[in-house]
Amino acid sequence: GENVEQHPSTLSVQEGDSAVIKCTYSDSASNYFPWYKQELGKRPQLIIDIRSNVGEKKDQRIAVTLNKTAKHFSLHITETQPEDSAVYFCAASKGNSGYSTLTFGKGTMLLVSP
Amino acid sequence: GAGVSQSPSNKVTEKGKDVELRCDPISGHTALYWYRQSLGQGLEFLIYFQGNSAPDKSGLPSDRFSAERTGGSVSTLTIQRTQQEDSAVYLCASSLDRANTEAFFGQGTRLTVV
Repeated sequence: GENVEQHPSTLSVQEGDSAVIKCTYSDSASNYFPWYKQELGKRPQLIIDIRSNVGEKKDQRIAVTLNKTAKHFSLHITETQPEDSAVYFCAASKGNSGYSTLTFGKGTMLLVSP
Repeated sequence: GAGVSQSPSNKVTEKGKDVELRCDPISGHTALYWYRQSLGQGLEFLIYFQGNSAPDKSGLPSDRFSAERTGGSVSTLTIQRTQQEDSAVYLCASSLDRANTEAFFGQGTRLTVV
C-alpha cells in the first residue's frame, strides 16, 4: 500500500518567517494530496489540497507544490503567525484511479514564536 | 447540516471489556474512514468504507478490532477484550465520494483502558 513520509517532525520559526514541510509518497498512482491542520485538542481540518494535474496551488499565505516525477510534495507557509502553531499532516490517495484510502504522514508540529 | 458526529466523546473501560464506538457521517457521504491517534502521534489508518464495496480492513491492528457500516451511513468500531495499548483517540472521517475529496473529521472518541 501507499507509504507517506513527512519531515521535519517539529519545526520552530519566528513570527513572520516562512515554514516549509515536505512529504514523499511511494505509490506513483496517487493523485490527490491534501494537507490537514490539527490544533491542540481539536479535530484535523483541511487547509489546502492539490491534484496531480497541477504543480502548484496557492491560497493566501499557504501554497503547496507537487513534483510527480520525484513523488514529493511540500507545504509552504509565508509570513507565519502564532495562530499557525499546530500539527500539520500531509496525505495521499489515488481516488478515482482505484479503491484507495487516505494515507497520512506522521505529522509536523509547527511552533511559531512571537 | 451537522458535521461528522462521534459518540461517546470519552470512554473509560476496564481491561478485557468490549467497547463500541459510533460514527455518524455527513449525510450523503459515501466514504468513511476510521483512524487511531495515540498521544502526540500521527493518524494511524484502521479501516475504510466506500459505498457498497467491501471495506479495506488492512489497517486493523488485530482480530480484536472490527467495524461495520450499516445502510451506508452509521458506522460502529468494536474493540473486543480491550488492552491498555488500545488507549487512544479514535477519529472517524467521511467524504463525499472516493478518497479524493475533502475528508471531514469527527471530534473523536478518547478511549482509556484501565
